[in-house]
Amino acid sequence: GAGVSQSPRYKVAKRGQDVALRCDPISGHVSLFWYQQALGQGPEFLTYFQNEAQLDKSGLPSDRFFAERPEGSVSTLKIQRTQQEDSAVYLCASSLEYHSYEQYFGPGTRLTVT
Amino acid sequence: GENVEQHPSTLSVQEGDSAVIKCTYSDSASNYFPWYKQELGKGPQLIIDIRSNVGEKKDQRIAVTLNKTAKHFSLHITETQPEDSAVYFCAASNTGFQKLVFGTGTRLLVSP
Repeated sequence: GAGVSQSPRYKVAKRGQDVALRCDPISGHVSLFWYQQALGQGPEFLTYFQNEAQLDKSGLPSDRFFAERPEGSVSTLKIQRTQQEDSAVYLCASSLEYHSYEQYFGPGTRLTVT
Repeated sequence: GENVEQHPSTLSVQEGDSAVIKCTYSDSASNYFPWYKQELGKGPQLIIDIRSNVGEKKDQRIAVTLNKTAKHFSLHITETQPEDSAVYFCAASNTGFQKLVFGTGTRLLVSP
């Protein structure tokens, strides 16, 4: 079946612009995660949803980062007033249910802030 | 919080050789340890995982071992093939905190 999809795959933003990154999880998956992956590093946790509830946002680096999943399926990660340090690959992952360990990742969105 | 260390950072082997990647973790509450393979321009792909109630798990050419006492786990790839070349990440999590904490990655290069 279809895996996790993300759009756009690449985004170039000028410093100060707002961006919105979309994640379509695997159909029926309850849990959804966002991670940030800097060049040459492992992914780092940003935030986690169970259905539409955002249960953990401890990894969001500043109040410029905001995520939502209003209907419990598609999620959007929004970054306001982008800075150069926001340049990274943003990965979305989903898992079947709460306490289901396996997380399946999408291809990521590469954000470059110029 | 949890901290995961991974080594080596790069590993070069000849086709047919074995490859071993090692990780250590700090939080004794961690109970789930997946391994991901990431190819250039792609997202991480789950290749094998192990839970804290077992010491070893195998799937064809790959295996993972876990030593809870020492807080370390390892990925073993036998009979390596050029298509195994990628970056491999270990990670850890526990029931209470769903997030994965990743290691820094190992770039594996398998030469024909």
